[in-house]
Amino acid sequence: QVHLVQSGAEVKTPGASVKVSCEASGYTFTSYGFSWVRQAPGQGPEWMGWINAFNGDTKYAQSLQGRVTMTTDTSTSTVYMELRSLISDDTAVYYCARAGADDSLDFWGQGTLVTVSS
Amino acid sequence: DIQMTQSPSAMSASVGDRVTITCRASQGIRDYLAWFQLKPGKVPKRLIAAASSLQSGVPSRFSGSGSGTEFTLTISSLQPEDFATYYCLQHKSYPLTFGGGTKVEIK
Repeated sequence: QVHLVQSGAEVKTPGASVKVSCEASGYTFTSYGFSWVRQAPGQGPEWMGWINAFNGDTKYAQSLQGRVTMTTDTSTSTVYMELRSLISDDTAVYYCARAGADDSLDFWGQGTLVTVSS
Repeated sequence: DIQMTQSPSAMSASVGDRVTITCRASQGIRDYLAWFQLKPGKVPKRLIAAASSLQSGVPSRFSGSGSGTEFTLTISSLQPEDFATYYCLQHKSYPLTFGGGTKVEIK
């Protein structure tokens, strides 16, 4: 079955970068895209961006343009999300989610807590 | 961007109650609407796809309806494990946008 396993929790200082990984299994990796979604404490989910696992095409949320980069490694069926110039408002649980055939988010990773604190 | 307005933002209900949650899109999205259940520390779970298609393995007490701009998630008989926060998501166009959420609490 489809399984998405994310990297562990991170603690970063303001201005640093973080790179979260998400390893997929149980299906053909390049047949679907991925979205990244984050949820800050007490807030609703926020879509961050999408990457096509076949050709690497990306779409990013306007609010994160210039700070976020999504990449894939097809040899390990892993998708990555890097966020730079971190601020305290970036403290959140970050999720990868498979973008199903209709771009709906059918399977999710377990989430990675990123804490930004001085 | 398409705005998703979800109501109510919170509700108290008892086991066995019928619960209805509504999402309204700022423009027509046909049936590009999914419903999710989120619980702290758990993997988010898609309940409904394409506005009304029950995800495999999801209990039949969950149902979705609607098309265009008005959508509804119904839980026919609330169970203890259903106390959670529910979100709608439009995936008609990027950026994908979520509703504000409905927290279902125990009365």
